[in-house]
Amino acid sequence: AQRVTQPEKLLSVFKGAPVELKCNYSYSGSPELFWYVQYSRQRLQLLLRHISRESIKGFTADLNKGETSFHLKKPFAQEEDSAMYYCAPNYGGSQGNLIFGKGTKLSVKP
Amino acid sequence: EAGVAQSPRYKIIEKRQSVAFWCNPISGHATLYWYQQILGQGPKLLIQFQNNGVVDDSQLPKDRFSAERLKGVDSTLKIQPAKLEDSAVYLCASSLVSTHSGNTIYFGEGSWLTVV
Repeated sequence: AQRVTQPEKLLSVFKGAPVELKCNYSYSGSPELFWYVQYSRQRLQLLLRHISRESIKGFTADLNKGETSFHLKKPFAQEEDSAMYYCAPNYGGSQGNLIFGKGTKLSVKP
Repeated sequence: EAGVAQSPRYKIIEKRQSVAFWCNPISGHATLYWYQQILGQGPKLLIQFQNNGVVDDSQLPKDRFSAERLKGVDSTLKIQPAKLEDSAVYLCASSLVSTHSGNTIYFGEGSWLTVV
């Protein structure tokens, strides 16, 4: 079965500290990997995708096929980064739907 | 551009009653999704439409849930009869296409259902 694991339910850091949100996915072909974010009182929205290899709001994520991981990183956390973060592989094919992890709540303290 | 619209935003019903949720996707988006998000969990796909055809409904509890997208635009999700465990946020989402790559999925604000 296709699965995605986000081991931390809650991650609390101080402003300016580095942050890493972990994500491991089950190997089944070559999924495209996404990170979605939900800020307080806002809708779920795309943060970044591995295929773009871009940095969004200072966040980056590297796909490690050997470890089947797609951890989200930011060198210096800001208070506005506080949100729920969901890792979501897309196993694609003709369907192209996302499998969401349970999410990690990031809390950045001042 | 306007985002994915959903209504109602909040609904409280008694068990065994019925409820319907409506979704209007982003204009031009061929693919429409309904996700169920139970408190403390990530969203789980219930059904996926490509235009007005069902692509995937493998996780839809068909004995009580139904969904349609008759004209390939708006969609409704119905639950009848509701159970306590159906309490969740029902998220509608849409995307331009459903191919493997380049598939950005845009979400609505969700419809919060409480079954008492």
